[in-house]
Amino acid sequence: KAGVTQTPRYLIKTRGQQVTLSCSPISGHRSVSWYQQTPGQGLQFLFEYFSETQRNKGNFPGRFSGRQFSNSRSEMNVSTLELGDSALYLCASSLGPNQPQHFGDGTRLSIL
Amino acid sequence: ELKVEQNPLFLSMQEGKNYTIYCNYSTTSDRLYWYRQDPGKSLESLFVLLSNGAVKQEGRLMASLDTKARLSTLHITAAVHDLSATYFCAVDNDMRFGAGTRLTVKP
Repeated sequence: KAGVTQTPRYLIKTRGQQVTLSCSPISGHRSVSWYQQTPGQGLQFLFEYFSETQRNKGNFPGRFSGRQFSNSRSEMNVSTLELGDSALYLCASSLGPNQPQHFGDGTRLSIL
Repeated sequence: ELKVEQNPLFLSMQEGKNYTIYCNYSTTSDRLYWYRQDPGKSLESLFVLLSNGAVKQEGRLMASLDTKARLSTLHITAAVHDLSATYFCAVDNDMRFGAGTRLTVKP
């Protein structure tokens, strides 16, 4: 069974640009969550989607947005990139809310 | 604002010993998660605790939740080197994470 796939694995952008990260969940999983991990702020929750609906949202500015498609694949978008957006972005999928999550390998985003 | 505190932040222990990692949180919640992260790797989900008094065990790890005390513990029994990793708890109001406990198990 294929795991959670995140693309791309690595990405370099410059300030002011925008970026879209993709997450393909495990087949049959309908819940997808996104997290940001930085050395300074640690792990922070971004969003949770279930059946194309955003269930929860973390405390991030509106530059961070996401969506989930009917096949449960999810994307997150960050606009007007700032240096502080440099981070490891993790996606996790699960059968549903409150179920054990399976994580992808992450996308490492570097902002120059 | 929900605050999640883990302690200790660093833990060095010898193989075969027992120890407990603590996760305190500041507001009411009945959902708590434990994760493991190996260096340079992604997260691995360990336990989902959904009610007061919940206890779950997997191998040498056992997690419990006391919602009245706003406390979860992750107990390590007879530690082995393979348990060396960083362990995070997260509380579900805002999916707020603790800072992590970096565990090193020495032979």
